[in-house]
Amino acid sequence: DVKVTQSSRYLVKRTGEKVFLECVQDMDHENMFWYRQDPGLGLRLIYFSYDVKMKEKGDIPEGYSVSREKKERFSLILESASTNQTSMYLCASSLLAAMDSFGGYTFGSGTRLTVV
Amino acid sequence: AQKITQTQPGMFVQEKEAVTLDCTYDTSDQSYGLFWYKQPSSGEMIFLIYQGSYDEQNATEGRYSLNFQKARKSANLVISASQLGDSAMYFCAMRGLNTGFQKLVFGTGTRLLVSP
Repeated sequence: DVKVTQSSRYLVKRTGEKVFLECVQDMDHENMFWYRQDPGLGLRLIYFSYDVKMKEKGDIPEGYSVSREKKERFSLILESASTNQTSMYLCASSLLAAMDSFGGYTFGSGTRLTVV
Repeated sequence: AQKITQTQPGMFVQEKEAVTLDCTYDTSDQSYGLFWYKQPSSGEMIFLIYQGSYDEQNATEGRYSLNFQKARKSANLVISASQLGDSAMYFCAMRGLNTGFQKLVFGTGTRLLVSP
């Protein structure tokens, strides 16, 4: 069964800590994404990667960085965690989409991060 | 910029009844894709249905159908014969040229509660 795996379902971290959220996919997908989900705001894109070592900022990249050293792994890094980064974080992957192709995502099960 | 609007924060339906979840979108692209995802309380995002902008027929997947009205820019999800397991958050999303074609833009979601 193909899947996207996020390393932790729940994390509690202290303000100022450096936090790593890991995501691994086994589908040989080119694209990988990090979203955060907050009530009433839906899913907002943090960062996106379309190839190894390639990254692109999403709508809310401030306070985050990413790393993609291997095709299957995409890491989200909170350099200095703050309480306003308490959220649900969702990783997704997809094939490189053409104009008329499907281009849908496969999601991981999410990481609920609490920063205290 | 592309935008998805889901105006119903919450919907209630009785088991075995049909329900329509609203989604309108804003884009200047001629070619785009529309998606619906379901998120149960466990947190994972489950793909439900896809509609391409050039598809002339409404997409259907089992009990799910997408009521695509291109001129009105609406892509409502219709769930027939609701089941208790349909209780979840539902997100409408789209991709198109303005989002770089690889990225999905999500709405804020609708929480559906199915009662016995």
